[in-house]
Amino acid sequence: QSVLAQPPSVSEAPRQRVTISCSGSRSNIGTNAVNWYQLLPGKAPKLLIYYDDLLPSGVSDRFSGSKSGTSASLAISGLQSEDEADYYCAAWDDSLNGYVFGTGTKVTVL
Amino acid sequence: QVQLQQWGAGLLKPLETLSLTCAVYGGSFSNYYWSWIRQSPGKGLEWIGEINHSGSAKYNPSLKSRVAMSVDTSKKQFSLKLTSVTAADTAVYYCARTDSSWAFDYWGQGTLVTVSS
Repeated sequence: QSVLAQPPSVSEAPRQRVTISCSGSRSNIGTNAVNWYQLLPGKAPKLLIYYDDLLPSGVSDRFSGSKSGTSASLAISGLQSEDEADYYCAAWDDSLNGYVFGTGTKVTVL
Repeated sequence: QVQLQQWGAGLLKPLETLSLTCAVYGGSFSNYYWSWIRQSPGKGLEWIGEINHSGSAKYNPSLKSRVAMSVDTSKKQFSLKLTSVTAADTAVYYCARTDSSWAFDYWGQGTLVTVSS
């Protein structure tokens, strides 16, 4: 059950910046940490952002995360062809008592 | 370096039981929760549940009646069983390590499980 809403797709030219939104509620984003994942075809998901805005070791600093209230965002700057992938936000939901993922956003580099 | 390696049957008939195991190499086993996540064809990610080294588990409420997870601390392995599978359970199943921020920071390679008569 996807209770976190994301735009289905975003696209931008190389070297530009894109932002992916993730809209939730008080019981998930409003209370708990938001994490972001990158899914490339045929590969395991990769953690991009944790605790709303922290970068795991080894993740490019072109990726950044932010959160305000019940919404979160992932920004990718200096867009590269290798960034073409699906991106998911995620958070624990206190009402559902479970972990929920966003609906996913496909990023296309024009 | 932490690595997760998973295995299990890839083709099931309806009403059979899905069974997957994930082995953890490197790092601590007892300091984390260990999760299962799946992605159905053309769909998004779905959290199935998690378990810790002592066997304390939490399951997705939508799957709770059919899911059971277990651990073997001596082998640093954890397992998933999903009963009475249907075509809707066809998906790539991943095991993953869950850190304190509920982030899945290490993942297994994924196992495609197909349910078909």
